[in-house]
Order: sequence, then structure tokens, then C-alpha cells
Amino acid sequence: AQKVTQAQTEISVVEKEDVTLDCVYETRDTTYYLFWYKQPPSGELVFLIRRNSFDEQNEISGRYSWNFQKSTSSFNFTITASQVVDSAVYFCALSEDRNYGQNFVFGPGTRLSVLP
Amino acid sequence: EPEVTQTPSHQVTQMGQEVILRCVPISNHLYFYWYRQILGQKVEFLVSFYNNEISEKSEIFDDQFSVERPDGSNFTLKIRSTKLEDSAMYFCASSDGGIKDTQYFGPGTRLTVL
Repeated sequence: AQKVTQAQTEISVVEKEDVTLDCVYETRDTTYYLFWYKQPPSGELVFLIRRNSFDEQNEISGRYSWNFQKSTSSFNFTITASQVVDSAVYFCALSEDRNYGQNFVFGPGTRLSVLP
Repeated sequence: EPEVTQTPSHQVTQMGQEVILRCVPISNHLYFYWYRQILGQKVEFLVSFYNNEISEKSEIFDDQFSVERPDGSNFTLKIRSTKLEDSAMYFCASSDGGIKDTQYFGPGTRLTVL
């Protein structure tokens, strides 16, 4: 069965610092999808990015960037120049390819606190 | 921008009572899901629903749970006889379908069982 590990339970940084959130996954499928979601204190789950297993290009979106490395089964997320509004729990998730619907497996989450 | 909505935002119930959690998925989406998150823990898959039937369910989704799409817009999760351990945040999600979709989540319903 697939598995997602986020070894960092909690991280605290001071505003404007860069921070990297680690995600390591396990799957036997060759086709799969990786995701990051943000859960702010208000509780909703906000989609950040989807990446398929055939696309190892790194991606940058504003202050956010993602580093996908199949060789190490990792999909790490970096926030550059962090801000207080980045404080949230961040979940990495893995979806294997299924015919009907998808079965997401979430990691345990990393709680990021950005201090002013 | 279209979004998934859920009602109520918070439901308090007595143990043994039935509850129905409601979701309105994004209108052109074909796949619907329920997840739960016990306080402080990770998000867990409960069930996926496509073409008016369950396509996958987890071991959490036992006989106490059922899902329904009673009309063209609502997607409901019913818990027949709630237990204390059902207290959690329940998220509904929907997706376009196919193998490249992304699930969009609603804001969640916090269920408290007393």
C-alpha cells in the first residue's frame, strides 16, 4: 500500500526566513500523483500543487517552489521569505492511478509557525 | 471561482443519534469523496462515489456510514448511530474525473458527538 511520510512534525521560523517541508512517499505504481495542501487555522484544505510521476521538473509559484526527485521518492516544498500568513499545517498526499476515483493518502502533516 | 460547500459547519449530536452531513460539489465534477480528520491527526479517506455508486471505500467506512446523491447537486454522508469516536472534521471533495484530476475540498463540517 502507498505511504506518505512527513518527518517534520512542527517547524518554527522567523518571518522572511526560507523553510523547506519534506515529503517522502512509497508506492509500487509507476503512474501516481503527488499533492500539497495547506490547512490554515480556519481548518479548510487548500490545494497548492499537483505533480504527476512522469514530470520531474521543479516548479515555482511566487514564493513557493517544489522539488520532485523520483530517485529519492521525495517531493519537498520550499517557502521563500516566509510570512506570518504561511502559518498552517501542510499536508503532502499521494494518489495512485485508479479507474474509478482516486484514493488519496495524506501524510501526517507538518505544522509551520512563522513568527513575526 | 466554483467551490465545494458543506453544511452545517458544526454539528453537535448525542451518541446513538443519526446525522447527515451535506455537501454541494463543484457543478461539473463527476467524482465525489468524503474524508475525515480526527483532531490533530491526518486526513483519512472514507469513500469515493462515481456514477451514483460507491467506487471505493476504506475500512473506516463501515455499515454505520452511507452516502447518497439525492438530487443533481447534493452529496450526503449519513452516520446511522454516532459514536464518540466519530467526532472529527468531515471533508467533502470533488474532482473532474479521469486520471489527472485534482480534488477540491470543502471547508469541512466539525462533528462533535457527546
